[in-house]
Amino acid sequence: ETGVTQTPRHLVMGMTNKKSLKCEQHLGHNAMYWYKQSAKKPLELMFVYNFKEQTENNSVPSRFSPECPNSSHLFLHLHTLQPEDSALYLCASSQDRTKTDTQYFGPGTRLTVL
Amino acid sequence: AQKITQTQPGMFVQEKEAVTLDCTYDTSDPSYGLFWYKQPSSGEMIFLIYQGSYDQQNATEGRYSLNFQKARKSANLVISASQLGDSAMYFCAMREGGDDMRFGAGTRLTVKP
Repeated sequence: ETGVTQTPRHLVMGMTNKKSLKCEQHLGHNAMYWYKQSAKKPLELMFVYNFKEQTENNSVPSRFSPECPNSSHLFLHLHTLQPEDSALYLCASSQDRTKTDTQYFGPGTRLTVL
Repeated sequence: AQKITQTQPGMFVQEKEAVTLDCTYDTSDPSYGLFWYKQPSSGEMIFLIYQGSYDQQNATEGRYSLNFQKARKSANLVISASQLGDSAMYFCAMREGGDDMRFGAGTRLTVKP
């Protein structure tokens, strides 16, 4: 498997459910990211991990909980979500966090909260 | 403040013709990186091309080229010989200083047969 993979690709959950999104990168990168893409809104950066340490949390509600057990894996734990959390959730990785580092994205998880 | 501006919500191009997608940016940092991504309906963001602010030449990658005008703070993407598979959303992005990547609102390109 190459690049950045995400599972599941589609997820439907109720507001009381608990679920997790998984991201895995096979590129040997040190930085990983979670983005949220809602309809008609620019891509929103949620969390950043660099060398497994969280370096950014852009005012994300606590119902979203990230976890980075190692440089290759990133999880987003979801609980008590709201319908407005329905969106495409994209994971990305980059070699480091310098200006020249390209981010490579996974295929995304399309989340629907009922 | 908006850092990346893509003024064209939608664009149409005839197959085999060239098309330019506009992107302007705002920064006071002399050193920055500019990126273009393609997002088909499947959702994945596909990296297309990169331009560094100190690069002397415009970046090119196959049918993609970047028309970089530093003084005007613009980084337009040119797609030559459009193909039906080029129909997608296109996002311009910038990375400066210690900040993470910022994305524009995107342009939806439709290639007509």
